[in-house]
Amino acid sequence: DSGVTQTPKHLITATGQRVTLRCSPRSGDLSVYWYQQSLDQGLQFLIQYYNGEERAKGNILERFSAQQFPDLHSELNLSSLELGDSALYFCASSERGGPDTQYFGPGTRLTVL
Amino acid sequence: SQQGEEDPQALSIQEGENATMNCSYKTSINNLQWYRQNSGRGLVHLILIRSNEREKHSGRLRVTLDTSKKSSSLLITASRAADTASYFCAYLIKAAGNKLTFGGGTRVLVKP
Repeated sequence: DSGVTQTPKHLITATGQRVTLRCSPRSGDLSVYWYQQSLDQGLQFLIQYYNGEERAKGNILERFSAQQFPDLHSELNLSSLELGDSALYFCASSERGGPDTQYFGPGTRLTVL
Repeated sequence: SQQGEEDPQALSIQEGENATMNCSYKTSINNLQWYRQNSGRGLVHLILIRSNEREKHSGRLRVTLDTSKKSSSLLITASRAADTASYFCAYLIKAAGNKLTFGGGTRVLVKP
């Protein structure tokens, strides 16, 4: 158990809908990262937050957004969902925003029908 | 693409044998990390090696890093059936923030 929690574990929804994925980092970690794992794209970095501020952005679509709240939990919002958004979404956290070890949560499996 | 490459893509060995997998990358890195993923589950951090380190051990794991060749290897010694999983290398590119860039993974099957 990494100490990073994600909810829900599974999410099934329809195209065009909007969903919110939630992540709680390990106690004391200030940085949260979001990754997407799909069969065709592999594991890809989406976005990083550090102490509430956006720190780095990767291959995140404009339909997706994220935020980190004062209690350091983070949410990833996915809207106007398409079939191709079906994937495993992982959250990771690290102590600081630097080149530390990142600890991953169990992931949320999103299925868009 | 900046995605790392791993080889082999898949590996099948007998319990007790060693498993070696390799990772190559294309640019300067801060550190390189190895993760294990059991089927469809979360990523478990195995080991981190910094760019100024050449070799690191953790239990039955041995990781090497050759920055001149831009490559790393992960060796699992005396493998067990429980080591069956996918193994990913991931690295932090210098001047690219702290986003991990992942390799494509190596699927390891350890047969009892």
